[in-house]
Amino acid sequence: TQLLEQSPQFLSIQEGENLTVYCNSSSVFSSLQWYRQEPGEGPVLLVTVVTGGEVKKLKRLTFQFGDARKDSSLHITAAQPGDTGLYLCAGARGYGQNFVFGPGTRLSVLP
Amino acid sequence: EAGVVQSPRYKIIEKKQPVAFWCNPISGHNTLYWYRQNLGQGPELLIRYENEEAVDDSQLPKDRFSAERLKGVDSTLKIQPAELGDSAVYLCASSPRQGEYIQYFGAGTRLSVL
Repeated sequence: TQLLEQSPQFLSIQEGENLTVYCNSSSVFSSLQWYRQEPGEGPVLLVTVVTGGEVKKLKRLTFQFGDARKDSSLHITAAQPGDTGLYLCAGARGYGQNFVFGPGTRLSVLP
Repeated sequence: EAGVVQSPRYKIIEKKQPVAFWCNPISGHNTLYWYRQNLGQGPELLIRYENEEAVDDSQLPKDRFSAERLKGVDSTLKIQPAELGDSAVYLCASSPRQGEYIQYFGAGTRLSVL
């Protein structure tokens, strides 16, 4: 049983479209992270959220942490081919605790 | 500043053979992680070091896997003997210290066991 679930598993869209991917759990997390991983590379941290209801923006990417700190979403506006990759969420139950990763959403943005 | 360096990038071995992976973390980072990433999945923690001490190895299959971090810098992860199910990408990551939210990952070693 996955502690963190991500949906959709796969997503293929055209350049310029908007999209949202989700990260859900029945557990409460003290912090949650989003990573992007490209083929043949390690994950790269995009953002860390720690406060319930928190919203962070990184250019065309908007991250939201659920009020109950059990879920998160990542919204991409006007997707570009460079956004293609595996998007992973990872949560930690407490300070100093290990981060547990979800299975990821594989995004493909077609030109 | 150099990132986390892993070698080799690829390794192909036959089952029952031994294999070792090497990781050089970012200079000054006290915390080092080894993860395994199966195809289509997220990384799963195998072991975490704080300096030279393994503080969490609960997910490391100790019958065949071993790890060490001598002098609290470089680390090696070994599998002996390898099984078909060990085929995966082995990722190393480092953080400045325990509790730091940021993990920096290496590019990984892709292991294929035939």
